[in-house]
Amino acid sequence: DSGVTQTPKHLITATGQRVTLRCSPRSGDLSVYWYQQSLDQGLQFLIQYYNGEERAKGNILERFSAQQFPDLHSELNLSSLELGDSALYFCASSVGGTSGGGEEQYFGPGTRLTVT
Amino acid sequence: DAKTTQPPSMDCAEGRAANLPCNHSTISGNEYVYWYRQIHSQGPQYIIHGLKNNETNEMASLIITEDRKSSTLILPHATLRDTAVYYCIVRGYYSGSARQLTFGSGTQLTVLP
Repeated sequence: DSGVTQTPKHLITATGQRVTLRCSPRSGDLSVYWYQQSLDQGLQFLIQYYNGEERAKGNILERFSAQQFPDLHSELNLSSLELGDSALYFCASSVGGTSGGGEEQYFGPGTRLTVT
Repeated sequence: DAKTTQPPSMDCAEGRAANLPCNHSTISGNEYVYWYRQIHSQGPQYIIHGLKNNETNEMASLIITEDRKSSTLILPHATLRDTAVYYCIVRGYYSGSARQLTFGSGTQLTVLP
């Protein structure tokens, strides 16, 4: 158990809909990262938040957005869903945003999104 | 971040040491070597990381060559539960900002009974 929790575990929805994925980081961790894993793309970084502020952006679609709340949990919002958005979505957390390369990330169990 | 090269797959007999190689010939002086693994569809699991010196923890050992252009992850006594995709990742240090991990294709390790 990494200490990172994600809900829900599974989500099935239709094209055009909007969903929200939730992540609670490990106690004391200030940084939250979101990753997407699809069959053809592998693990791809989407976005990072540090202590409530956006810190880095990857290949995140404009239809996707995220935020980190004062209690440090984070939500990833996916809208106007398409079939190709079906994937595993992982959240990871790390201690902070300033220690750079020498800091490990801990991953949650993921949310499996199926768009039909 | 430097690019890494790993073999796509490896087999190992249960109880034997599993040695997973990684080439990172373009690594620069401030870049760390990280190893993660992902057991089928589970969240990636941090294993170990190092900068220059060899490292050991309860899960594995990391051997980094003196020129830092390659490394080997060693699982000393592989079990069936070690079957997973193993990712070698090189990530630099950026003052004031943590960085995301860039995952490649990794090595599928299969531990055989």
